[in-house]
Amino acid sequence: DSGVTQTPKHLITATGQRVTLRCSPRSGDLSVYWYQQSLDQGLQFLIQYYNGEERAKGNILERFSAQQFPDLHSELNLSSLELGDSALYFCASSVDGDTQYFGPGTRLTVL
Amino acid sequence: GNSVTQMEGPVTLSEEAFLTINCTYTATGYPSLFWYVQYPGEGLQLLLKATKADDKGSNKGFEATYRKETTSFHLEKGSVQVSDSAVYFCALSDRWGNNNDMRFGAGTRLTVKP
Repeated sequence: DSGVTQTPKHLITATGQRVTLRCSPRSGDLSVYWYQQSLDQGLQFLIQYYNGEERAKGNILERFSAQQFPDLHSELNLSSLELGDSALYFCASSVDGDTQYFGPGTRLTVL
Repeated sequence: GNSVTQMEGPVTLSEEAFLTINCTYTATGYPSLFWYVQYPGEGLQLLLKATKADDKGSNKGFEATYRKETTSFHLEKGSVQVSDSAVYFCALSDRWGNNNDMRFGAGTRLTVKP
């Protein structure tokens, strides 16, 4: 157990819908990272937050957004969902900005 | 930019065989290097890391040495077990301040047969 929690574990929704994925980092970790893992694209970095502020952006679509709250949990919002958004979404946290600890992931299925 | 290239899988071995999964990297700075393992249905778990040249990371019988001269971080294990069947990811972290540029390889699926 990495200490990073993610909810929900599974999510099934329809095209055009909006969903919110939630992540709670390890106690004391200020950095949160979001990744998308799909069969054809591998593991893709989406976005990083540090203590509530956005710090780095990767291959994140404009339909996607994230935020980190004062209690350090983070949410990833995915809107106008497409079939191709079906993937595993991982959250990771870090205390030193170097080693990242991953949550168990949320499996999103868009029908 | 920074990148990681690891050997393509899948890799299939018999129990007690020797394992090598090759990983090479490209980085502008002095990154830390990692191996992560993903078991079926789970998230990525940190397996081992090395933060500077010539460092050796080790855990659960796995080892990897940070080779700056060959820009490599190959994963090795002397005797694999069925329970080692998983996907292995090589990664680098190029850190600046509280940010880091984390890059992952494509992953190598290992299957160990009894």
